Order: sequence, then C-alpha cells, then structure tokens
Amino acid sequence: QKEVEQDPGPLSVPEGAIVSLNCTYSNSAFQYFMWYRQYSRKGPELLMYTYSSGNKEDGRFTAQVDKSSKYISLFIRDSQPSDSATYLCAMSQGGKLIFGQGTELSVKP
Amino acid sequence: EAGVAQSPRYKIIEKRQSVAFWCNPISGHATLYWYQQILGQGPKLLIQFQNNGVVDDSQLPKDRFSAERLKGVDSTLKIQPAKLEDSAVYLCASSLDWSGTEAFFGQGTRLTVV
Repeated sequence: QKEVEQDPGPLSVPEGAIVSLNCTYSNSAFQYFMWYRQYSRKGPELLMYTYSSGNKEDGRFTAQVDKSSKYISLFIRDSQPSDSATYLCAMSQGGKLIFGQGTELSVKP
Repeated sequence: EAGVAQSPRYKIIEKRQSVAFWCNPISGHATLYWYQQILGQGPKLLIQFQNNGVVDDSQLPKDRFSAERLKGVDSTLKIQPAKLEDSAVYLCASSLDWSGTEAFFGQGTRLTVV
C-alpha cells in the first residue's frame, strides 16, 4: 500500500465549476499537508499547506484536512482554463516530503 | 529572490553511460531534495540533505546513483551507469527549514536514456 493515494484522473470540468481533488494517506505521523500545482514541463509550485485538521482558504482555493479519516481535499471555486494542470498532494514527516501520484485537471472554456 | 536553478534542462544519453545533474538552491535554504518523476507519476524522493549532511537516502539506488552537497549549498546528482528505466525528470527542491512545508522546485532535468 502506498503511503499517499491520489486518483490520477484525468478530470475534465467546464469553466466556472467547483473542482474537488482528494488524497488519502496511511501514515498517521504525517504532520504537514501540502498541495502543489504542476504545469506541463515545469516543476511543482506550492499552492498552500496546512498543519491541523480543518479548512484553510486562499482566494479560490480551499484546503481541507481530516486527520481522523486520513483524508485531505483541495477545492477550487470558479475554475478557470488557467487552472488546467496536474495537482499533487504532498505530506511531510520530519521534513521528508512524500507526494501522491497527481491528478490531471482540464478546465474547458 | 532567485529560484532553484538546475542544469542541464535536457539530456539524452545511451544506456551504461554516466550523467550528472547540478542544482543551486535558493540562498539560505538549509534543506535540499532530489526527486525522480517518471511520466504520469508523482515525484519520488531520492535523497534529502540538511545543510551538507544526508537526512534520508533510503530510496536512492546506491549501486548506480550518488549525490553530494558541497559546503551546504550546491548539489550534484550522478548516475553511473544509466539504465533505460532511469528516463525521468529529476527535480531539485529546497526549503528554508526542516519541516518541508515550503519547498520550492526547480524546472527539472529531463533525462532520456536510449
């Protein structure tokens, strides 16, 4: 079993839709939870990180962590074609960053 | 603030040849990571340095891969000899502290082994 599981998609939505991306994990020792965005042929770019269970909002993005269920989510409101990318969840324990497989998202105009 | 610099951007080599990648992290960042990203997969950690000491290299294939971080700044990752399955993007990242919460990535080096 992988430490971090993420549905690879692809996920295709119309512009303006609310997007929900999810990851599950098995290691309860993970301390920090991150979401990265990766455009084609580019390195991953940090969107946001959270530490505790609950929600964290940044503009159109909301990260949600449920430690009891070992489940994290990223919601994108009013999705735009420029949001088309691969979204990677990542978790850290003692600074060791473990990534999910990534979900490929396409937002159609 | 300059980002993480990597070179070369692309490299094509024949199997059994050797290759080296270079990374210059963001100034002042203590932690440096090397990741391997195979097409369609998430990045896989190869090695993590804290300053110039190795924190984790449990997934580094040590029979063919080696890495060093001289003076706690620049780092090189070497593969010798390369195999076909080493074809991937090699990403370098750095973060200010040990937590890994704000790691910044370079553009990566795309390696093709033929």
